[in-house]
Amino acid sequence: GQQVMQIPQYQHVQEGEDFTTYCNSSTTLSNIQWYKQRPGGHPVFLIQLVKSGEVKKQKRLTFQFGEAKKNSSLHITATQTTDVGTYFCGNNAGNMLTFGGGTRLMVKP
Amino acid sequence: NAGVTQTPKFQVLKTGQSMTLQCAQDMNHEYMSWYRQDPGMGLRLIHYSVGAGITDQGEVPNGYNVSRSTTEDFPLRLLSAAPSQTSVYFCASSTGQAIGGGKLFFGSGTQLSVL
Repeated sequence: GQQVMQIPQYQHVQEGEDFTTYCNSSTTLSNIQWYKQRPGGHPVFLIQLVKSGEVKKQKRLTFQFGEAKKNSSLHITATQTTDVGTYFCGNNAGNMLTFGGGTRLMVKP
Repeated sequence: NAGVTQTPKFQVLKTGQSMTLQCAQDMNHEYMSWYRQDPGMGLRLIHYSVGAGITDQGEVPNGYNVSRSTTEDFPLRLLSAAPSQTSVYFCASSTGQAIGGGKLFFGSGTQLSVL
């Protein structure tokens, strides 16, 4: 599958601050999926982006797919302690979904 | 509807031992896959299957075997465990024969330690 790189690897924020994680590829991506994994849990699907320049929102979460379809971002507005976890982006290539290394978000109350 | 069920939840093996990690889904999903998760390495695809009787290799297949005799089950076999296989293993399934457009449903994972 196509390699996707995620940054940052870790992020500490104060509750109420915003948070962004980025997913980058050197090649054009067919689509991007985002998952959240709570500590000790399993990944849970959040969203899929397919179209160039696509923007989708889920409450305080905003997902973007770059115009060139080589990058994507997940932005959380006003983080809460319930946002704690690791966020993964994944790329579908044929029958393989391969993931970036994830961004671990820690929120100080 | 249990979703994706993995057993066991925890396992300790000695180097050289063999074992099978079980995965079953009750959602009639054609697509199933196995991932391993290591600290700082994200999720890496081991093997996947697009339907009964069909399996294929992922990113890190060495040391693992799979089979898919039924739609529901997709076991992962370690023939001779090595310390490098210490990891958390996740099974996942998806609607449709190909994953394109389908979201993955993950099991709760198996934590494996090889001594």
